[in-house]
Amino acid sequence: GAGVSQSPSNKVTEKGKDVELRCDPISGHTALYWYRQSLGQGLEFLIYFQGNSAPDKSGLPSDRFSAERTGGSVSTLTIQRTQQEDSAVYLCASSSGNSEQYFGPGTRLTVT
Amino acid sequence: RKEVEQDPGPFNVPEGATVAFNCTYSNSASQSFFWYRQDCRKEPKLLMSVYSSGNEDGRFTAQLNRASQYISLLIRDSKLSDSATYLCVVNSPNSGYALNFGKGTSLLVTP
Repeated sequence: GAGVSQSPSNKVTEKGKDVELRCDPISGHTALYWYRQSLGQGLEFLIYFQGNSAPDKSGLPSDRFSAERTGGSVSTLTIQRTQQEDSAVYLCASSSGNSEQYFGPGTRLTVT
Repeated sequence: RKEVEQDPGPFNVPEGATVAFNCTYSNSASQSFFWYRQDCRKEPKLLMSVYSSGNEDGRFTAQLNRASQYISLLIRDSKLSDSATYLCVVNSPNSGYALNFGKGTSLLVTP
């Protein structure tokens, strides 16, 4: 079946611009997660959605970061006024409840 | 202190060798443990879950020691295709089911 998909696969943006990253989870998965992986670093949790519950935003690094999940499916991660330190691979994962998480291919963001 | 710590390696081993990776975690309330594999410039993929009694999947064996907060992965008869970064992953009890990832251990299997 179809896995987690993300778009765009690559994004280059100028410092100060806003970007939107999209994630389509596996159909039927109720939980959706955003992580980021900076060069040479481990994955860093950003935000978690579970069903209709309020999202867990405890990992968002600043108020420039926000995410939405519409209709319990597609999610968008928005970064406002991008900074060079935002450059990373942004990974989305989905799971069915508390089972294993399946990752999308990621969006590689470069802020110039 | 990092929540999940791993030896970054690299581990360079010949084909057919047995290699073991270790990992420690800091939050004693963690309940779910995994090993993920990540190939260069690819997303992480689940290799196996780790259960309290230990578990085996083909050439791969995972062990969990809750008292020591220690997780291990053993790869027997290593193949060239096992070359990758192995990520030790522990759930974060304070953040729903979000996962804490170690930085990974790099393995290179050579002919």
